[in-house]
Amino acid sequence: DVKVTQSSRYLVKRTGEKVFLECVQDMDHENMFWYRQDPGLGLRLIYFSYDVKMKEKGDIPEGYSVSREKKERFSLILESASTNQTSMYLCASFEGSGELFFGEGSRLTVL
Amino acid sequence: AQRVTQPEKLLSVFKGAPVELKCNYSYSGSPELFWYVQYSRQRLQLLLRHISRESIKGFTADLNKGETSFHLKKPFAQEEDSAMYYCALRSTGFQKLVFGTGTRLLVSP
Repeated sequence: DVKVTQSSRYLVKRTGEKVFLECVQDMDHENMFWYRQDPGLGLRLIYFSYDVKMKEKGDIPEGYSVSREKKERFSLILESASTNQTSMYLCASFEGSGELFFGEGSRLTVL
Repeated sequence: AQRVTQPEKLLSVFKGAPVELKCNYSYSGSPELFWYVQYSRQRLQLLLRHISRESIKGFTADLNKGETSFHLKKPFAQEEDSAMYYCALRSTGFQKLVFGTGTRLLVSP
């Protein structure tokens, strides 16, 4: 079974803090994604990466950056967290036929 | 631009009733369509994809290019079908999926 692991299930941060969300996949997938999931808005793509050190902006990249130094690891960074970034963050890796494998999610609260 | 619309935020039915979760898309090329499901306290997972034309857990979905729809159907809902359902589209040759806003299905006994 493909496993996508997000290191933090729940985080509480203060406005202005730097936040790192880590994601690791164990199936050698080239493509990895970060989505945020909000009620009524569905899943919105923040960033994705199709190779080590390669990244592409998704639909809502503002306020976020990413890092992909190793194939299995894709990190989402909030340089200066704001309250409107309170959300559930989902990492996923992509298997060639179109199936996304998701992590369990990281629920971030910014106070 | 690619867009996926799920008009219903909540669909509430009784056990044994038929279910249809609506999904419409806008895309000018040949899309690949998927349904993903998230059960309570579980991770989001693939339910089915249009190219496989299979029935999963009694659910089916047919791609209707004329109506640009990919509705998810089940003839007899079960309580364990209660979950959040997302329709998603992938344009051919691209990796990223575009998701709809989701429909929460609630099946009552």
